[in-house]
Amino acid sequence: ELKVEQNPLFLSMQEGKNYTIYCNYSTTSDRLYWYRQDPGKSLESLFVLLSNGAVKQEGRLMASLDTKARLSTLHITAAVHDLSATYFCAVDDAGKSTFGDGTTLTVKP
Amino acid sequence: GAGVSQSPSNKVTEKGKDVELRCDPISGHTALYWYRQRLGQGLEFLIYFQGNSAPDKSGLPSDRFSAERTGESVSTLTIQRTQQEDSAVYLCASSLRGHSNQPQHFGDGTRLSIL
Repeated sequence: ELKVEQNPLFLSMQEGKNYTIYCNYSTTSDRLYWYRQDPGKSLESLFVLLSNGAVKQEGRLMASLDTKARLSTLHITAAVHDLSATYFCAVDDAGKSTFGDGTTLTVKP
Repeated sequence: GAGVSQSPSNKVTEKGKDVELRCDPISGHTALYWYRQRLGQGLEFLIYFQGNSAPDKSGLPSDRFSAERTGESVSTLTIQRTQQEDSAVYLCASSLRGHSNQPQHFGDGTRLSIL
């Protein structure tokens, strides 16, 4: 059974700081997704990572995938308040996705 | 609309009643997924439909839960004899096809409250 672990689960950071969220998974997969969820809202796709070494960047967020280590990271650069949300990674598992428990990010002024 | 549509957006019902939740996927999306999200928690996979293949029901928590899909369009998730622990947001998602390089597109969910 595929297990996906994210850490930290809760992250409070100041504006302007950098931080990394980690996503570890237990079995081989070459497809990993990052989603964002705002309070009371549904999930929005951020990144699709399809191969070992894949790196995607959008604004202050950068995601990478190391399939050998079974690890993906979501790096936040110079955080701003608008990035406050819950971030989920999801790993492809024979066509369906197994989600991590999410990292709730709060960016403070 | 162009997105995944779910109805109702909110449902309050008494324990023991049956409920039916509806999902309209994005047109042309062959893969459809149902998830449950309890308050403050992650997504729990329930069921996955891919085209005309037999659905993957491995996530359904009990035989009170069932789902159907008409061709490659509307899906309904039915919960019979609801219990208080069924209270959650039920999310539906669709994608062009499963096991692909496409992310899932999520609806706004149905917030189910069992009294």
